[in-house]
Parts: sequence; structure tokens; C-alpha cells
Amino acid sequence: QQPVQSPQAVILREGEDAVINCSSSKALYSVHWYRQKHGEAPIFLMILLKGGEQKGHDKISASFNEKKQQSSLYLTASQLSYSGTYFCGTSARQLTFGSGTQLTVLP
Amino acid sequence: ETGVTQTPRHLVMGMTNKKSLKCEQHLGHNAMYWYKQSAKKPLELMFVYNFKEQTENNSVPSRFSPECPNSSHLFLHLHTLQPEDSALYLCASSQEGAGGPYEQFFGPGTRLTVL
Repeated sequence: QQPVQSPQAVILREGEDAVINCSSSKALYSVHWYRQKHGEAPIFLMILLKGGEQKGHDKISASFNEKKQQSSLYLTASQLSYSGTYFCGTSARQLTFGSGTQLTVLP
Repeated sequence: ETGVTQTPRHLVMGMTNKKSLKCEQHLGHNAMYWYKQSAKKPLELMFVYNFKEQTENNSVPSRFSPECPNSSHLFLHLHTLQPEDSALYLCASSQEGAGGPYEQFFGPGTRLTVL
């Protein structure tokens, strides 16, 4: 069963923060985050493998709450280049992706 | 070439045609994947090959037939498709081991239109 992402879409001004949530009805082994720009391939952002794990890359970070079976992606001081669709993928044996969150950063 | 490449990038075919999609990975990975991406829908895993052996087939109709001759190449053979099969078909690869799945590297995709 696919994870549920929220919100479905968000529009920001450059420099604003955003949070994207991913939740699953099944116990999670790991959570993956990818970003896909229009007309391009999805690009890997990060994997969270353990409950409570937090990772960060530049101003994009994520947390994984294994107990609540959810993960959140945090985008701080967003840049124009952050625009795209963000997918979370959850795994038991293979990845199952959520339907995506479309993020638009305006100047 | 680096990363994951896919050919053709665009394909238009009739319902009675037979065509093939090709994927090649230059990363030395041991696992390859086919995904279908339709508008407004999540990425759908179709097939997984690990060390050239098919390990997943997510209830994909038989009009899609995968082939993995070696760990670097993956094909998706198409025949008698339906208009609802029109979508972006993405290939990915990863280095799998205990504790996976791991980071997947995606190709640019083939935009398929079935008339």
C-alpha cells in the first residue's frame, strides 16, 4: 500500500520554509526521498534507515518517526532550484512511492 | 555515457505494433528496475531484476515483457498495448545488498504514446 503524502501542492516565496509529510499504514523499514523536476528523472535526496534518524543536506533535512510510521522533509530558506515534485518511498522489500508533493518556489 | 541511459526518449506506437525500450546503466550496479509514471499517479514499480534474475513482477499485464541479458542492460518489450498504457517509463538501477533497498539512480525515461 502506497504511503500518503501531504500537502499535495505548496507554493512558496524564495526564502520561506516548507514541510512535506509522508505517512504509512504499514511498519516502515526505511524512507527514501526523491525530487523530480518537470521533464527530468527523479533525483535521490536521502534515505532514513532507523527510527528517529534525521539527515540533512544543505538546507534540506528529514526526520523519521518509526513509531508513528511517518517521515517529514524540511526545506529551509527555500531557493528557486527547490521547485519540483517531491516523492517519498517506503520500503518493506521494494520501494513503494507516494503520489508526490508539487513544490513551487516563486521569486 | 554515464549514469543510466534510456532509448528511445519518445515513442509513438499503434495498438498492433511491437516495440522495445532499452535501458543501460554504467554504474556497476547489480539491480535494475522498470517503473511506470502516469499523470497524477505515483511511480508504479513494474519489474525488478537482481543479478539478472527477475525478483519482482507487480501484476503487470503480459503485453509488457522484460528482458535482462546482463546486469548492465534491461529491455521492456511491448506488444498489443492499450491507450491507457501511455505514460513515462522510467528505468532505475541500484547496488543492492543486505539491508536494502538502497539509493536508486533513474534514467531520463521514455515517453510512450499509444494511439
